[in-house]
Amino acid sequence: KQEVTQIPAALSVPEGENLVLNCSFTDSAIYNLQWFRQDPGKGLTSLLLIQSSQREQTSGRLNASLDKSSGRSTLYIAASQPGDSATYLCAVKGEVTGGGNKLTFGTGTQLKVEL
Amino acid sequence: EADIYQTPRYLVIGTGKKITLECSQTMGHDKMYWYQQDPGMELHLIHYSYGVNSTEKGDLSSESTVSRIRTEHFPLTLESARPSHTSQYLCASSSIIGGEKLFFGSGTQLSVL
Repeated sequence: KQEVTQIPAALSVPEGENLVLNCSFTDSAIYNLQWFRQDPGKGLTSLLLIQSSQREQTSGRLNASLDKSSGRSTLYIAASQPGDSATYLCAVKGEVTGGGNKLTFGTGTQLKVEL
Repeated sequence: EADIYQTPRYLVIGTGKKITLECSQTMGHDKMYWYQQDPGMELHLIHYSYGVNSTEKGDLSSESTVSRIRTEHFPLTLESARPSHTSQYLCASSSIIGGEKLFFGSGTQLSVL
């Protein structure tokens, strides 16, 4: 059974700092990995999707990397801003054959960027 | 980018009432999902569908039921709401054409009194 762990559980940084969020998974047989952000009481917004054959994806100030063999992904946020404050979730989709298009979510990292 | 809609956004209802949470997507996605999330807790998959007339139960047991009569529509129904059903319900969709990128709706916050 796939298990996804995110470290740290919470992080508080001053504005402008570059930061790294970590995601680790136990089963390297994955189809893709997706990073989301969730604001309190809201749905999830997709940030970056990395297919199993890819090593990284970039969008603006965000960069996500994937190392399947070690079961790790990192989300790098450059020049953090107060608007980046949210909970960040990673989710891993396994190599599915047959029924079960299931994503396994991590427990999230709650980020606070302070002025 | 994401065109997936959930209604209502908030619902407060008494015990024993029948409720239906609506979810619609305009992206033509074949796969749709319902997740349940309590405050500060992880998401749990309760139902999913691979296409019209296809529905399956997820990892978390739920007393709710779903239907998929049209590709774009995936409603969730609780026949008799109870306080234990109080939670946030999130609908999502994806497609193999989009690399299985998952799109979420804004969620329905359900409170059963």
